[in-house]
Amino acid sequence: SQQGEEDPQALSIQEGENATMNCSYKTSINNLQWYRQNSGRGLVHLILIRSNEREKHSGRLRVTLDTSKKSSSLLITASRAADTASYFCATDARGGSEKLVFGKGMKLTVNP
Amino acid sequence: NAGVTQTPKFQVLKTGQSMTLQCAQDMNHEYMSWYRQDPGMGLRLIHYSVGAGITDQGEVPNGYNVSRSTTEDFPLRLLSAAPSQTSVYFCASSYNTGELFFGEGSRLTVL
Repeated sequence: SQQGEEDPQALSIQEGENATMNCSYKTSINNLQWYRQNSGRGLVHLILIRSNEREKHSGRLRVTLDTSKKSSSLLITASRAADTASYFCATDARGGSEKLVFGKGMKLTVNP
Repeated sequence: NAGVTQTPKFQVLKTGQSMTLQCAQDMNHEYMSWYRQDPGMGLRLIHYSVGAGITDQGEVPNGYNVSRSTTEDFPLRLLSAAPSQTSVYFCASSYNTGELFFGEGSRLTVL
């Protein structure tokens, strides 16, 4: 079964709005990562947060991690049309980075 | 650097045929993995390797073989293709720090 589950499964917003995506997982982790996938392309790493971190920022991205609730959120501020993509969370619940477990993904559409 | 290179990008096979998906990386990463991506299923791990000569099974290994004779290459072999193996296949590599670098994918259709 999937370790990570993104919520919502799809989100449509207007340019300039903020987008928040949530990820829940089931077992203990060392780190959680977020990836972006543009249509027809490979996944691109966005950010990694370790289990002893609560919040991390990278440009317009803000990631939080609550290990007590086994959940993470990805916030994209001031969204742009170019942010339109699928977003995946991934955990190392089964070991290291060689066997990450991915969620099913969330489709974000940013309308110009 | 080219990063992670996958070939072919597209392939159509008939049931029962065999083929090899190639994956090469030029970042000297020890870890390499193969995933398949199906609609509504996310990415599922097929096989992975933590170094040359070392491979192991992931979540969905049946029908696939891998080998890792060099650090750079990690080919995925389909032994006898089945329609259930129609999917998009992604190769990825990493250091042991966590961040995966993905190829652009190989889109396989089995008729």
